[in-house]
Amino acid sequence: DAGITQSPRHKVTETGTPVTLRCHQTENHRYMYWYRQDPGHGLRLIHYSYGVKDTDKGEVSDGYSVSRSKTEDFLLTLESATSSQTSVYFCAISEFQGWTDTQYFGPGTRLTVL
Amino acid sequence: DQQVKQNSPSLSVQEGRISILNCDYTNSMFDYFLWYKKYPAEGPTFLISISSIKDKNEDGRFTVFLNKSAKHLSLHIVPSQPGDSAVYFCAASANGGGTSYGKLTFGQGTILTVHP
Repeated sequence: DAGITQSPRHKVTETGTPVTLRCHQTENHRYMYWYRQDPGHGLRLIHYSYGVKDTDKGEVSDGYSVSRSKTEDFLLTLESATSSQTSVYFCAISEFQGWTDTQYFGPGTRLTVL
Repeated sequence: DQQVKQNSPSLSVQEGRISILNCDYTNSMFDYFLWYKKYPAEGPTFLISISSIKDKNEDGRFTVFLNKSAKHLSLHIVPSQPGDSAVYFCAASANGGGTSYGKLTFGQGTILTVHP
């Protein structure tokens, strides 16, 4: 158990509304990541953080923003949700120290945009 | 452009037999490879990994093989058990350059079903 929680676990929202997903970790890991999982695509990286206030874009960042104001929390925001953002979102943490880093994942948030 | 590919969407195996899951990659900068297992409604869980300086890594019933010249890796599960039924993802990262921040590129996943 890597001490990662995600909230909410399920959310249904309407197109055009803002949505914020929260990832919380209890073990002070420096690196945090947001992925989305879709059929036929595996998991794709949305944004990642390599420290407080240090974030960068991943493979599928359009329509998403992130913030990390403290070590334990990494927030993913959909500014104006679209149906194409219906997906399962996973947060991950790691202590990247070179080659042999391993990421550990949270339980996921299932988001449905109507 | 899919840099990591799992070409078999599903695999069905009898309990006690070997399960072999395959993964191909195209990016020659990848130097660290991982396998994750995922049950429904849960997050992926780490299974086993291998760095590019090795060609084999074992952990109990799980063995990962890496063929760098073919840009191919495989996960062997021996013997397979019904509890191994899950989706398996391979993932790769390019850590050697020091600037990847551990970012992972995943394959599409293979659904493994182990029949009793």
